Formats: sequence, structure tokens, C-alpha cells
Amino acid sequence: NAGVTQTPKFQVLKTGQSMTLQCAQDMNHEYMSWYRQDPGMGLRLIHYSVGAGITDQGEVPNGYNVSRSTTEDFPLRLLSAAPSQTSVYFCASSYLGSSNEQFFGPGTRLTVL
Amino acid sequence: KQEVTQIPAALSVPEGENLVLNCSFTDSAIYNLQWFRQDPGKGLTSLLLIQSSQREQTSGRLNASLDKSSGRSTLYIAASQPGDSATYLCAVIDRGTALIFGKGTTLSVSS
Repeated sequence: NAGVTQTPKFQVLKTGQSMTLQCAQDMNHEYMSWYRQDPGMGLRLIHYSVGAGITDQGEVPNGYNVSRSTTEDFPLRLLSAAPSQTSVYFCASSYLGSSNEQFFGPGTRLTVL
Repeated sequence: KQEVTQIPAALSVPEGENLVLNCSFTDSAIYNLQWFRQDPGKGLTSLLLIQSSQREQTSGRLNASLDKSSGRSTLYIAASQPGDSATYLCAVIDRGTALIFGKGTTLSVSS
């Protein structure tokens, strides 16, 4: 098992550019989510999905879009990047249910100039 | 709104010491609590998951306890080693499936 994989590892964007952060898991997990990690703020939930075709907003969804067309993939789209979106982004996945231990990817470090 | 607090923010100990990391949460209605380790520039590694019906979990030199009524969890690390140096994050799930994180304790173990 590769677990949770994320690409790219690093990315630099200019303000206003768009891009997609990729996340994939090979554990057949129903639940997938995106977090951002900022100094002094900790990890905050952006969007999550409980299965293919189902997504919902987390704590900080503005400026981000997601879709879930397959169980394996959960891409995060930045439509028009802003410097405030400079952060480290983590994808996570788990089975649904009360014993849902969550597993994280290695992260994408994004800088918006 | 659930809030998770970890104290201290940073901790330095000599190799071989037993140590305790603290995590507190404001709403005791949690489904489970998970401890993670994060090395600099890396992702989060799951260490232990404690379900709400459990009191503790053990893995090797790590032991995590949960006291829901007081809103507290502790992570006990026995015989600390320099390789234990990392940031330790505590997170709870109280409703739905989203993890709510504390800001972490950064541990430094000197040889």
C-alpha cells in the first residue's frame, strides 16, 4: 500500500493563478479531507468528503473547490490563488465509523507570491 | 465549539527521561482522540487512537490515556531518545468525522 499520496510536494504560484493539488489513497477509505497548516494556527479543515459524489465544507473553505468522482481521488482546486493561501496542505483519509483512525499524506508546501 | 489545548508548547529533556505530554479539550462528547507525530517538513504519523469507550492505548514506549469526564488526555513516553524529537499533535473527533487539532508540543530530546 502506498497509503495517502500527494502531488506536488512543492509549488510556487503567482497571485491569481489557478492550480490543483492532487490527493490519492489506495486503502478504499470512504472519508477524505483536506487541511491546511499555518504557524500559530495549527491544522484547520478546508473540505471533506464521505464518499464519491459527496463533499462538504470545513472550517476554512473560501477560495477552494473540491470534487470526488472516485473513491481513490480527492483533488483540491485553487481557482485564483492569493498570498493568504500560502500554507502547507495535507490530505487525510479514513474509514467511516467511530474507530476512524485517520492517515495523512506527506503534504504540499504552497507559496503564493 | 470544541477547542483542543496542548501544554507546554515546547519541552526539552535529556535522553532517558520519562515524560508526559498533555492535551485538554472543552467538550467531553468526543468519539475518539488521536495522537500524531510530525517531524519537521513532514506529514503527520498516527501514533495512537483512543476510542471514547477506552481509557488507554499502548504502543511500544508510548502510552496514551483518556479521561473524558475531565476533558484530558496524556501521552506518556518512556525512556526518551533523541529520535523522539518531533512535534506531537493531539486531535479529537466530537461530531461528524473531522479532526480538531491542538497546536502541538514540540519535544527536543538531547543526548
